[in-house]
Amino acid sequence: AQSVTQPDIHITVSEGASLELRCNYSYGATPYLFWYVQSPGQGLQLLLKYFSGDTLVQGIKGFEAEFKRSQSSFNLRKPSVHWSDAAEYFCAVGGYNFNKFYFGSGTKLNVKP
Amino acid sequence: GAVVSQHPSRVICKSGTSVKIECRSLDFQATTMFWYRQFPKQSLMLMATSNEGSKATYEQGVEKDKFLINHASLTLSTLTVTSAHPEDSSFYICSALSALAGGYEQYFGPGTRLTVT
Repeated sequence: AQSVTQPDIHITVSEGASLELRCNYSYGATPYLFWYVQSPGQGLQLLLKYFSGDTLVQGIKGFEAEFKRSQSSFNLRKPSVHWSDAAEYFCAVGGYNFNKFYFGSGTKLNVKP
Repeated sequence: GAVVSQHPSRVICKSGTSVKIECRSLDFQATTMFWYRQFPKQSLMLMATSNEGSKATYEQGVEKDKFLINHASLTLSTLTVTSAHPEDSSFYICSALSALAGGYEQYFGPGTRLTVT
């Protein structure tokens, strides 16, 4: 069965520290992988996506993610977190045939000054 | 980037009434749109896939007679919550699919907060 797991419900990091948000997926075919950010009262914004090619993907706002097929993972990273990064982050997987998106349960990021 | 709008952003209705939520792709055509429901502090749950000119495909457990979806044009999909009850109170989010070279991207609307009293 297709699913996305984000093991960390809440993460707190200090401003300027590095960040890694974990995402593991289960998908029966070649996955398309996404990371979205949702700020309070706002819609989801795409941070980055992976379809094929280079397994290290660069996104907006200084985020990057690495696709590791052997580990079924697509972890999101940022070398230095800013206070404005505090939000909820969702990992998602979809198929090549444009349907059936599955979202993880989300990780809420708090940033300490 | 592409923009998806939703209207209304918030709606309060009485139990037993129906509510229509509109989802529009403003600067691109979307043959496929998705409707999600998000409960407080939870993830997005896919309710249905809306394809222009055809019937929507509902996920298991979603009542198609309660959540009516119409995708009449390439830029508009509507979700009507019929005979709403308090348990239908939730945050409803739509998205529109835009095909890209080698893949696709899903653009999300800002969501509609439905409160049924």
